[in-house]
Amino acid sequence: GAVVSQHPSRVICKSGTSVKIECRSLDFQATTMFWYRQFPKKSLMLMATSNEGSKATYEQGVEKDKFLINHASLTLSTLTVTSAHPEDSSFYICSAPGITDEKLFFGSGTQLSVL
Amino acid sequence: GNSVTQMEGPVTLSEEAFLTINCTYTATGYPSLFWYVQYPGEGLQLLLKATKADDKGSNKGFEATYRKETTSFHLEKGSVQVSDSAVYFCALTLGTGNQFYFGTGTSLTVIP
Repeated sequence: GAVVSQHPSRVICKSGTSVKIECRSLDFQATTMFWYRQFPKKSLMLMATSNEGSKATYEQGVEKDKFLINHASLTLSTLTVTSAHPEDSSFYICSAPGITDEKLFFGSGTQLSVL
Repeated sequence: GNSVTQMEGPVTLSEEAFLTINCTYTATGYPSLFWYVQYPGEGLQLLLKATKADDKGSNKGFEATYRKETTSFHLEKGSVQVSDSAVYFCALTLGTGNQFYFGTGTSLTVIP
């Protein structure tokens, strides 16, 4: 079946640094990928939709300059948290929709901790 | 608009108890409905889905029936196990490649 690989699984960084999270579709092409943020004991918040070959679509309230999304190829999307602060600490999950059916394939998530 | 409402947790059950997690939805079209499960420290995995009214999705002993008349997709399992402890998310989408709308998640803990 389709697999979405997300790296790193966990990252700890100092405040003010930037962190890049990669999301790869391993055996299928993903023209679209969704980036979610999950707070403890809360639902998934859709941050943005990345589109291969065009700009990402951000949800209302998500800072475009802080959360940079690049969809470099049909199998790779990256989320860069720029100038990270402690309030950016969260669990970030990427996902890609199936091509032939209505289904989302999820990465295993990245736990970001900003000190 | 499109949204999903599911019962708040956390839910704690004894092993072999009956489980129901309620989920209702609103949608601007004809959605497909899903239950996803998230084990600790992991991403989400599809548990089951139903694509049209009266369809029943089932997997690993879990079932949910797409009820258009009540706009519901309640998750049930007749006898839960400790290994079922996880967070369960109800979700909908309006088509392949489209955005998914998730409920807030319901944490389930099954005690021996």
